[in-house]
Amino acid sequence: GAVVSQHPSRVICKSGTSVKIECRSLDFQATTMFWYRQFPKKSLMLMATSNEGSKATYEQGVEKDKFLINHASLTLSTLTVTSAHPEDSSFYICSASDGDVHEQYFGPGTRLTVT
Amino acid sequence: GQNIDQPTEMTATEGAIVQINCTYQTSGFNGLFWYQQHAGEAPTFLSYNVLDGLEEKGRFSSFLSRSKGYSYLLLKELQMKDSASYLCAVLDSNYQLIWGAGTKLIIKP
Repeated sequence: GAVVSQHPSRVICKSGTSVKIECRSLDFQATTMFWYRQFPKKSLMLMATSNEGSKATYEQGVEKDKFLINHASLTLSTLTVTSAHPEDSSFYICSASDGDVHEQYFGPGTRLTVT
Repeated sequence: GQNIDQPTEMTATEGAIVQINCTYQTSGFNGLFWYQQHAGEAPTFLSYNVLDGLEEKGRFSSFLSRSKGYSYLLLKELQMKDSASYLCAVLDSNYQLIWGAGTKLIIKP
């Protein structure tokens, strides 16, 4: 099956710093990648959808200048949390699709803690 | 608005059967997914239904009634490792996944 990796799996950073999370599709070309965040005991919340080579489409209420998304290749998308604050602490999950809207493959997630 | 409802938590006994229900109201329908998510991990795909009826896959089965906006996930011969959250998600008319909040399933010996 399709494999998606995320790096790092866990990160702790200080308030005000920026953190970059990578999402890679290892054995297929991901034309579309999705970024989600999930608070404890809550559902996944879609933050943005990115297509390779074009700007990401952000969901309402998600600040594009704070959550920078780059999808420069068919196997890599990055999410950068800029000027992180404690309220940004969350579980960030990416998923990737090869164009079939019925199939999304999830990465293992990144636990971000901002102190 | 779009809404997906599923119970917050359920408890069942090892070896038993449990049914997790999901009702939805969405703008359009292009299929319903069930995912399993263990604590601290990403969701893993369990099933996809787009036509009415029951889809069986080993110990897990998923049912869909589009006219009722209703689905259920049936887990048989429960094992302790089945303790997890089960997420219901609907693909709407824009092919966007709308997620339920998940049902935490607790399995007791």
